[in-house]
Amino acid sequence: DTAVSQTPKYLVTQMGNDKSIKCEQNLGHDTMYWYKQDSKKFLKIMFSYNNKELIINETVPNRFSPKSPDKAHLNLHINSLELGDSAVYFCASSPHQVFSTQYFGPGTRLLVL
Amino acid sequence: QKEVEQDPGPLSVPEGAIVSLNCTYSNSAFQYFMWYRQYSRKGPELLMYTYSSGNKEDGRFTAQVDKSSKYISLFIRDSQPSDSATYLCAMSSNTGNQFYFGTGTSLTVIP
Repeated sequence: DTAVSQTPKYLVTQMGNDKSIKCEQNLGHDTMYWYKQDSKKFLKIMFSYNNKELIINETVPNRFSPKSPDKAHLNLHINSLELGDSAVYFCASSPHQVFSTQYFGPGTRLLVL
Repeated sequence: QKEVEQDPGPLSVPEGAIVSLNCTYSNSAFQYFMWYRQYSRKGPELLMYTYSSGNKEDGRFTAQVDKSSKYISLFIRDSQPSDSATYLCAMSSNTGNQFYFGTGTSLTVIP
């Protein structure tokens, strides 16, 4: 059984489009995260939600908007996509905001043309 | 200055070698120290975590934290080709409001 799943796995789109990435976890965790990993493999946290409440919102453009319909799901919506948004986006979850035990999804490779 | 510094490598060792991976940091608030392994085209996978200073061992892996020097290490004994991956250190404050990954070290274990 997949613990943290993301869809789609690959996303190729044109500049200016709006796209969403979905994430689901079946671990019963309270906290979910979105990370961006650039071409140099640097992994940076973007958002963190605890029980559907936003608790970390790093400096990312407001074109990125997370949505948590329930504590098992955290989706990422991106408006007006730009070339620099091309990266791998990882979803993760952990119990009770405990960063020390995060489980990551397989990633969504986004390519903006 | 980055919060967490990690030598990106690449590091190449023969099978059976002892591997030492390291990170340094500057923020005294960090209390949780983690090591993740990331295979190509996969998500990071938690290997080990340590709270505050000290050593932790799990099979062939040993994590060390020296808070006085702001230095953490991961040792891999009897390295195997299946250990070939990128290893990322990560650190967090107690409250979790400060959390950073290192840039990762690429390791190749040659059979």
